[in-house]
Amino acid sequence: DAMVIQNPRYQVTQFGKPVTLSCSQTLNHNVMYWYQQKSSQAPKLLFHYYDKDFNNEADTPDNFQSRRPNTSFCFLDIRSPGLGDAAMYLCATSRVRQGTYEQYFGPGTRLTVT
Amino acid sequence: GEDVEQSLFLSVREGDSSVINCTYTDSSSTYLYWYKQEPGAGLQLLTYIFSNMDMKQDQRLTVLLNKKDKHLSLRIADTQTGDSAIYFCAEGRMNRDDKIIFGKGTRLHILP
Repeated sequence: DAMVIQNPRYQVTQFGKPVTLSCSQTLNHNVMYWYQQKSSQAPKLLFHYYDKDFNNEADTPDNFQSRRPNTSFCFLDIRSPGLGDAAMYLCATSRVRQGTYEQYFGPGTRLTVT
Repeated sequence: GEDVEQSLFLSVREGDSSVINCTYTDSSSTYLYWYKQEPGAGLQLLTYIFSNMDMKQDQRLTVLLNKKDKHLSLRIADTQTGDSAIYFCAEGRMNRDDKIIFGKGTRLHILP
């Protein structure tokens, strides 16, 4: 089945130790998004790729980086995780400017920072 | 502003109808969405409505849109225990910046 896959589902990292979260999709969608979601809050968009074009949100900390080596894969790199970066990280995809623009979400990676 | 507002909590008895309300601010929104999030899971698209529609029905779900008041509602008929989740209202401002703006979510609690 076509889907959005996130690995790992749970990630524990130490304060200051770089960590990479991965997302892959079999939907062949041209846009991929990364969201941060903390408890009882709305998903907060960090950045998105429209094809290879990277779009960073103005309030996304420099500590967060992303890579999209091809259509199917997108990575979220947290260079020096702080305790405040503990959250659920959601990847989503969409076929922008076609259809109803809905976003398809992966199951998320829950990041714990110790 | 770019706010999507919704109440944080709703408690409904099993078998009753649930109505979750949402207000948004961007009149140029193209699509409005309802997403469902179960514990520990990602967001699942439940339904959407195009901004030139007033109502959309899909099985137990009914979406009402009042574009003049920028008010959106989701009605779940015959609420079941499996409907217990967080429901996010979202507006899509396509043809602008390809983003979806989410509300904070309404936690639906089902009483036996």
